Amino acid sequence: GDSVTQMEGPVTLSEEAFLTINCTYTATGYPSLFWYVQYPGEGLQLLLKATKADDKGSNKGFEATYRKETTSFHLEKGSVQVSDSAVYFCALSVRTYKYIFGTGTRLKVLA
Amino acid sequence: NAGVTQTPKFQVLKTGQSMTLQCAQDMNHNSMYWYRQDPGMGLRLIYYSASEGTTDKGEVPNGYNVSRLNKREFSLRLESAAPSQTSVYFCASSEHSGSTGELFFGEGSRLTVL
Repeated sequence: GDSVTQMEGPVTLSEEAFLTINCTYTATGYPSLFWYVQYPGEGLQLLLKATKADDKGSNKGFEATYRKETTSFHLEKGSVQVSDSAVYFCALSVRTYKYIFGTGTRLKVLA
Repeated sequence: NAGVTQTPKFQVLKTGQSMTLQCAQDMNHNSMYWYRQDPGMGLRLIYYSASEGTTDKGEVPNGYNVSRLNKREFSLRLESAAPSQTSVYFCASSEHSGSTGELFFGEGSRLTVL
């Protein structure tokens, strides 16, 4: 079945460090891929998305490229800030109403 | 600029009690969803409503019922709460049914069943 696997956390980085959070997927058909972010005490909000192979989603300095050959959608940021501390969820949608979420990766950025 | 509003934010129940989680969205979205979030398991879909007047089961519907009261409101009911239903519940909505659509989430309702 359809699934999303993302790296377990927590990930702890110093401010200005480079961030990578790995995400791989299994899906029938051609899914759309998403990264959602959840700040403490809040609901999830869309960070970026890509709807077809080789698309790059970007927002707030974060980027992820839809790699069909490796079935991956890794999240990257060149220089993290304390305010980026949150839980990050990779997700896919392969058909109407069906969104599959990964288990989430907690990021903690230290000043 | 409310978006998706859920009530209550926190609730403690005893086993066997019933309760309803309320959700309302002001974005004129057609589709609405209820998810539960458990540690190490991500988000799992309980029920969804593609449009006003329709509801369908998701991945983990047992022990829950839903009502799409109108286009704005989608409630989740626990008829006889069990400790296994201790979780954080999120309501979400989306503008359309396509697979590229963005989900908009409420802030969550933390439920503890003793």
